[in-house]
Formats: sequence, C-alpha cells, structure tokens
Amino acid sequence: KAGVTQTPRYLIKTRGQQVTLSCSPISGHRSVSWYQQTPGQGLQFLFEYFSETQRNKGNFPGRFSGRQFSNSRSEMNVSTLELGDSALYLCASSSGGAALNEKLFFGSGTQLSVL
Amino acid sequence: AQSVTQLDSHVSVSEGTPVLLRCNYSSSYSPSLFWYVQHPNKGLQLLLKYTSAATLVKGINGFEAEFKKSETSFHLTKPSAHMSDAAEYFCVVLSGGYNKLIFGAGTRLAVHP
Repeated sequence: KAGVTQTPRYLIKTRGQQVTLSCSPISGHRSVSWYQQTPGQGLQFLFEYFSETQRNKGNFPGRFSGRQFSNSRSEMNVSTLELGDSALYLCASSSGGAALNEKLFFGSGTQLSVL
Repeated sequence: AQSVTQLDSHVSVSEGTPVLLRCNYSSSYSPSLFWYVQHPNKGLQLLLKYTSAATLVKGINGFEAEFKKSETSFHLTKPSAHMSDAAEYFCVVLSGGYNKLIFGAGTRLAVHP
C-alpha cells in the first residue's frame, strides 16, 4: 500500500506570492490533516478535512486555506506569503472513523522557503 | 486546555544503554497521549498511543511508555538503545477535536557507539 504522498518536496517562493501544496492520502483514507513545522514554533495543527468538509481548524490566519476533493486528495494554499511561512508542511491521513484518537500516517512533507 | 511538556530538548546515550525520554501532560480530562518519532528528512511515525485501556503501553521497536496520572507523566523508555534510534521524539496529546494533535517541543536523541 502506498503511503501518504506530498508534492512538491521542495518549494522556493518570494514574499507576496501564493503557493499550493498537494497531499494524496493512503488509499481508502478519508481524513487529511495538515501541520506546519518550524524550528521556533514546532509542530502546529492547521486543519483537518473529511469527505470534502473541514471538521477542525487551528489558529492560523485566513491566508492559510485548504480543500479536499472527492477522491480524498487535499490541497492547502497560502496566499500573500510572509518570511515566517517558511516551514515544513506535513500532511497526515487516517481512515476518518468515529474514534478521535485513531492513528495518523504522515507524509514526508513539503519544505517551503520564502525569500 | 491540553498541553504536553517534554522535559529534555536533547538526550545522549550510548548504544546498548537504556533510553528515557520524559513528558508531562496537562489535561482537564482523561487524555489520549502519543509518542511519535521523526527521522531526518522523514515524516512522523507513531511509536505508541495511550487510550486508557492500560497504563503501560508497548509500541514498536521495543519502546514503551507508562501513563502515571498521579504524576501527570507519560515517559518513553527503551531497555537498550540502538544506533537507528537516533531521531527526534515528540510527545503528543489529542486536543479534543478530530486529529487535532498538540505536539511537545521534541527531544532529540543521540546514540553513540
């Protein structure tokens, strides 16, 4: 079974630009979560999608948005990039069942650098 | 609010010696706690999770953790370190919502020959 796939692996953008990151979950998984990892703030929850609906959201500005498609693939978008958005963005998938503490499978991440 | 505190940012051990990574939690109700590991340039992998079924939780690769309510602790241990255990370890608590995990700051484990 293929794991969680994130593309691209690396991205370099300049301030003010926007960026879209992609995540393909494990086959059969319907929940996709996004996390931001930085040296200063550590790992922080961005949002979670299940069946194309956002079920949960972290404390990030509205510049961070996401969506999920009918095949469970997810994208996250960051508009008007700031230097502080430089981070490793991790996507995780799970079956999305009723249990709140089910196992998450993480991708290797997209490393975004904002210059 | 849920939170976790990892008491050591770096731990260094010799191969074959025990590993102890310390984590304290704060929770207003019975928490769901996890330990995740992150190897360089890799994603996160679940080592084990506590969901109140048993206070001693066994995970992968010989790791285990004990939930101690009286001490609000969830320390990760391994009897004998291996070179391949060198990585960053995160203590994590579920924050009441779907897959909304709150991560500790991480403990970097170094294993020396």
